[in-house]
Amino acid sequence: EAQVTQNPRYLITVTGKKLTVTCSQNMNHEYMSWYRQDPGLGLRQIYYSMNVEVTDKGDVPEGYKVSRKEKRNFPLILESPSPNQTSLYFCASSSWGDPRNIQYFGAGTRLSVL
Amino acid sequence: GDSVTQMEGPVTLSEEAFLTINCTYTATGYPSLFWYVQYPGEGLQLLLKATKADDKGSNKGFEATYRKETTSFHLEKGSVQVSDSAVYFCALGLLGNNRLAFGKGNQVVVIP
Repeated sequence: EAQVTQNPRYLITVTGKKLTVTCSQNMNHEYMSWYRQDPGLGLRQIYYSMNVEVTDKGDVPEGYKVSRKEKRNFPLILESPSPNQTSLYFCASSSWGDPRNIQYFGAGTRLSVL
Repeated sequence: GDSVTQMEGPVTLSEEAFLTINCTYTATGYPSLFWYVQYPGEGLQLLLKATKADDKGSNKGFEATYRKETTSFHLEKGSVQVSDSAVYFCALGLLGNNRLAFGKGNQVVVIP
């Protein structure tokens, strides 16, 4: 079954404690992306990757890092989380990096930073 | 820049009512347009898409027509069900932008 898998689904942490949210897709997609969803703001892109070892900033990259060492994985790293990073996070993937293609989303990770 | 605007506020309606959610866009070039749906506790999934002017996307009883003259892609369904309760996002994809531009989403609540 084609899917994008995020882990964990729920996470509560404290300010400053480094964390990683994993994302994996099994569709051999080149393009992967991270979004955050906040009430009244919709989805905003954090980082994206066009292929292995190719990453770039989205609209709200501050406080986040990503890596793309393998095609299937695209982890999101918060080196020093702060309360304003409390949000619902989604990973997505699509083929060829063409934004006109369908994006497939993970089920989301709800993060609370205390 | 390229952007999508959805009507403000949640939408509450009774079962079997007619649903319309407005979406307008601003884009340079020729975008593809999408509606994504997010059911409670789940990620977004594609509902329908249209790739050029006058195309009509349809799925699960929902329809939207790509109107270049009014830069719109309004979502409609003739008779909603309780199971249609979800958040609906309009989105725009433009080659060379490397991302989808999303609207803010509309919460739809269908009451039995």
